[in-house]
Amino acid sequence: GAVVSQHPSWVICKSGTSVKIECRSLDFQATTMFWYRQFPKQSLMLMATSNEGSKATYEQGVEKDKFLINHASLTLSTLTVTSAHPEDSSFYICSASDNNSPLHFGNGTRLTVT
Amino acid sequence: GESVGLHLPTLSVQEGDNSIINCAYSNSASDYFIWYKQESGKGPQFIIDIRSNMDKRQGQRVTVLLNKTVKHLSLQIAATQPGDSAVYFCAVLGGNQFYFGTGTSLTVIP
Repeated sequence: GAVVSQHPSWVICKSGTSVKIECRSLDFQATTMFWYRQFPKQSLMLMATSNEGSKATYEQGVEKDKFLINHASLTLSTLTVTSAHPEDSSFYICSASDNNSPLHFGNGTRLTVT
Repeated sequence: GESVGLHLPTLSVQEGDNSIINCAYSNSASDYFIWYKQESGKGPQFIIDIRSNMDKRQGQRVTVLLNKTVKHLSLQIAATQPGDSAVYFCAVLGGNQFYFGTGTSLTVIP
């Protein structure tokens, strides 16, 4: 089945630094990729939707200047958490779709900001 | 829009028994539904999907039932195994966006 690879699986960074998370679709072209944040024992919270070659669409309450999303190709989207703070610590998950298949998710990135 | 709810946040079953996990949605126009399994520290894993032109779909040890009249979706797992222990949640396509339930944590007792 379709595979979505997310990297890194975990990262620890210091407050004020930036962290980049990559999401790749390995065996299909992802016209749309989604970025989610998940808190413990809660469901996925959609942060933004990115379409290849265009600006991402952010959900209400998500700061686009803090969570930079780039979808430069049909197989790669990146999320950069800029000037990270401890409250940004969370589990970030991406998903991808080629519009003809169900959403497939990456394995998530555990971000810890110290 | 769409709102999605799961009936039970936790479910415990004996190994070998069948499990049933339920999901309710609000928008009668929703036409695509997916069940995911999420193990601790991992991303959600696709289990099975169903479109609104079907009432039932079967996979390996799993069956999804869709009742559009009452806007209810269920996942049945046959002969539940310890490896089935995880959080299960449904995803409902409303417009161009998927809406997710909060998840049911399934624990299989050996």
